[in-house]
Amino acid sequence: GIQVEQSPPDLILQEGANSTLRCNFSDSVNNLQWFHQNPWGQLINLFYIPSGTKQNGRLSATTVATERYSLLYISSSQTTDSGVYFCAVGTGFQKLVFGTGTRLLVSP
Amino acid sequence: DAGVTQSPTHLIKTRGQQVTLRCSPKSGHDTVSWYQQALGQGPQFIFQYYEEEERQRGNFPDRFSGHQFPNYSSELNVNALLLGDSALYLCASSLGRGQRYEKLFFGSGTQLSVL
Repeated sequence: GIQVEQSPPDLILQEGANSTLRCNFSDSVNNLQWFHQNPWGQLINLFYIPSGTKQNGRLSATTVATERYSLLYISSSQTTDSGVYFCAVGTGFQKLVFGTGTRLLVSP
Repeated sequence: DAGVTQSPTHLIKTRGQQVTLRCSPKSGHDTVSWYQQALGQGPQFIFQYYEEEERQRGNFPDRFSGHQFPNYSSELNVNALLLGDSALYLCASSLGRGQRYEKLFFGSGTQLSVL
C-alpha cells in the first residue's frame, strides 16, 4: 500500500519563528489533506490540497503531485500551534492513509 | 451548526467484552468513516459507510463491524476485545454523493481502554 513519510518527526520552536513541515508519499494520489491534532486529541482539518498552493492566515500549503510531496508552512508560530501535524493521502472513496506526524512544540 | 459528535468520550472494558461506539456526522454529511489511533501513531482506516452500506474496509478483523442508520449516524462495534484494541477511536464525516474526494471532518474521539 501507499507509504507516507513526514519530517521532521519532532520540532521545537520559539514563539514567532517560522517552520516548514514535509510530507512525502510513495505513489500517485488524488486526495491530500493536512490535519492538526491538538493536545486534547481533536483533529482539525487545515487543508484539502491534492495539488497547488493554498493559504489560510498564517498557514499555507503546497503540493507538488508529480514529485509526490507536500509542504506545510507555519509563519509567526504561536503556542496554540503546538500539537501533532498529520499529512494524509488517498486514492479512492475518501479512505485516507496517515503519516506518522510531526510533533510541534512552540514555547513562549 | 453541530460538528461531528461521538459518544462516549471514555470507556473502560475488560478482555473478551464487546463495545459499541456512536457517531453523529456533521449536519449535511452522509458519509461516515471510522479510524483507530494507537498512542503515538497516526490514525488507521477501519471502514466507511455510505447509504447505509459498508463501502470500503481497511485491514481490520471481522471483530470490527459497523452500521449506518437512515439519519446517517453510525455505530462501531468491537467484539471479543483484546488488550491491543486500546486506542482512540475517531469518527470522520464527509459528503459522499458518489464523489471520491472530500474534506474530512473528525469528532473528538472515544478513548477505549481494555484491561
